[in-house]
Amino acid sequence: GQQLNQSPQSMFIQEGEDVSMNCTSSSIFNTWLWYKQDPGEGPVLLIALYKAGELTSNGRLTAQFGITRKDSFLNISASIPSDVGIYFCAGQNSGNTPLVFGKGTRLSVIA
Amino acid sequence: NAGVTQTPKFRILKIGQSMTLQCTQDMNHNYMYWYRQDPGMGLKLIYYSVGAGITDKGEVPNGYNVSRSTTEDFPLRLLSAAPSQTSVYFCASSFSRVNGYTFGSGTRLTVV
Repeated sequence: GQQLNQSPQSMFIQEGEDVSMNCTSSSIFNTWLWYKQDPGEGPVLLIALYKAGELTSNGRLTAQFGITRKDSFLNISASIPSDVGIYFCAGQNSGNTPLVFGKGTRLSVIA
Repeated sequence: NAGVTQTPKFRILKIGQSMTLQCTQDMNHNYMYWYRQDPGMGLKLIYYSVGAGITDKGEVPNGYNVSRSTTEDFPLRLLSAAPSQTSVYFCASSFSRVNGYTFGSGTRLTVV
């Protein structure tokens, strides 16, 4: 099946620091999404991207749809303790196929 | 709106037992999905459905079965539980193929 390579696998950061994570694919995607999963819960949609080059913000979160359509980036500014969780990228290469998920980036914030 | 509701939240099964994981959504979404999440492995698609009466296999369908008799419900059946099926199972739904998915809170299954 299709693979999404998400990095880094885990991060430990100080509260207040900015965070960057990314996702790459060997094939082109038409849609990129970023989800966050809190412990014991299902993933929750953060940002959806539908066009190459698109840059979208949601509060302190900013995500970009790479111009090659094979990658996407998520940035979190001024991290706070509640940012702790697992962040997943997900991609879809056509309207007929379900989402493919990356393996996640586990974020820990040290107060 | 309850969104996507999964039951049970936790279950321990013995090898060879069968069980059904329930999933219900009240958003009138046509598309529904079952994923399993193993530690460090992300989410893998088991089965999905694009509407009542229509189901299709995902990446890891072996050992599972699904049905979709109504828009609201999409149960996942484990036919004969194996230790490799120990995982957290998530059901999700979406309004269209290109919309983001709404996930349930998961069923944590242990097979011993």
